[in-house]
Amino acid sequence: AQSVAQPEDQVNVAEGNPLTVKCTYSVSGNPYLFWYVQYPNRGLQFLLKYITGDNLVKGSYGFEAEFNKSQTSFHLKKPSALVSDSALYFCAVRDTGNTPLVFGKGTRLSVIA
Amino acid sequence: DTAVSQTPKYLVTQMGNDKSIKCEQNLGHDTMYWYKQDSKKFLKIMFSYNNKELIINETVPNRFSPKSPDKAHLNLHINSLELGDSAVYFCASSRSSYNEQFFGPGTRLTVL
Repeated sequence: AQSVAQPEDQVNVAEGNPLTVKCTYSVSGNPYLFWYVQYPNRGLQFLLKYITGDNLVKGSYGFEAEFNKSQTSFHLKKPSALVSDSALYFCAVRDTGNTPLVFGKGTRLSVIA
Repeated sequence: DTAVSQTPKYLVTQMGNDKSIKCEQNLGHDTMYWYKQDSKKFLKIMFSYNNKELIINETVPNRFSPKSPDKAHLNLHINSLELGDSAVYFCASSRSSYNEQFFGPGTRLTVL
């Protein structure tokens, strides 16, 4: 069965600095990887996905993620953090076949002015 | 226009009651989902429907029954509510099960 791990409960970064939110996964086949963001009292919003192709994926709001097959990782990055990026970030993975999307436990990002 | 909408936004009820949450999407998507987010923000899939057919039913008590009258709607009915059912329930939709999902705003259910 597929699984995903977000090793950090909380990431703090100063505004203007680069940010990284970590994600590792486990699947039996080829992974379908996603990042979502959740602001307080809102539903999740899609940021970006990796299905196939270039390992560096660019998404919404200046975010990008790098797929690393050997390390089974899909870390979320942004070159310059904004205070408005402060939110809860979820990594998710699904396997091929009739399998559900499995979410990580979430990482709370706090960008300090 | 709201892409995925849910009603009600808040639901407060007594143990043992029966309640329903409605979900509608206007994106023309084929696949719809129900998720439960607990107080620790852990998100878990409950059900997935594709073209009105149930395709995923994760170990959810049979007190929970999804109903899809058409491709644009997926409602969730809960019988005999328990304290542990208190959570935020999210509806979502996607073009297919391999595409990104669009989430509704959530329904906060509180069982007293």
